[in-house]
Amino acid sequence: DAGVIQSPRHEVTEMGQEVTLRCKPISGHDYLFWYRQTMMRGLELLIYFNNNVPIDDSGMPEDRFSAKMPNASFSTLKIQPSEPRDSAVYFCASSSPYRGYGYTFGSGTRLTVV
Amino acid sequence: KQEVTQIPAALSVPEGENLVLNCSFTDSAIYNLQWFRQDPGKGLTSLLLIQSSQREQTSGRLNASLDKSSGRSTLYIAASQPGDSATYLCAVKDRSYNTDKLIFGTGTRLQVFP
Repeated sequence: DAGVIQSPRHEVTEMGQEVTLRCKPISGHDYLFWYRQTMMRGLELLIYFNNNVPIDDSGMPEDRFSAKMPNASFSTLKIQPSEPRDSAVYFCASSSPYRGYGYTFGSGTRLTVV
Repeated sequence: KQEVTQIPAALSVPEGENLVLNCSFTDSAIYNLQWFRQDPGKGLTSLLLIQSSQREQTSGRLNASLDKSSGRSTLYIAASQPGDSATYLCAVKDRSYNTDKLIFGTGTRLQVFP
């Protein structure tokens, strides 16, 4: 089991550029979650999917953020255009009802927008 | 609305001490509770997962208990070591029909000095 895999680990981009973060959940997990972590706000849930369908996107800060899950093994979080206030660590996590809904987190993507 | 609180916010102890970290939640209708560890600049590592029907879980020097009626969980760390230094987060999954998300506490930052 390779765990939840996120890429890239670090991303530095200029304000206004498009940023795409990627996540591969654990095989067989049918829930996928995107979180953002900052010192000021802690961990915030942005959006989550069940069986590739977005269920709750109420945490997505604004229209500049979008997320997709085209299949069970891949999800993307896109920010377009990026702004300095988007700088944070973005985590992906997956879970399964067959594993008691325990979450497994990826290592995160540290995004810096300059 | 479920709220999760962790006390203390920070703790500094000498090596060898037995520790208790506290987590409280406002709504006892939870599905499970999970304890995580986060090292600086790293992702979240799951330590223990307690289902609502369970009273405790153990892994090595770690023991987590759950008392739903009082809305409390404790993480007990025996014979602490400098390698235990990290931030410890608890999170609950509500027993709700319209949400599958975890609600996180703000964490306890632990430092164990030699």
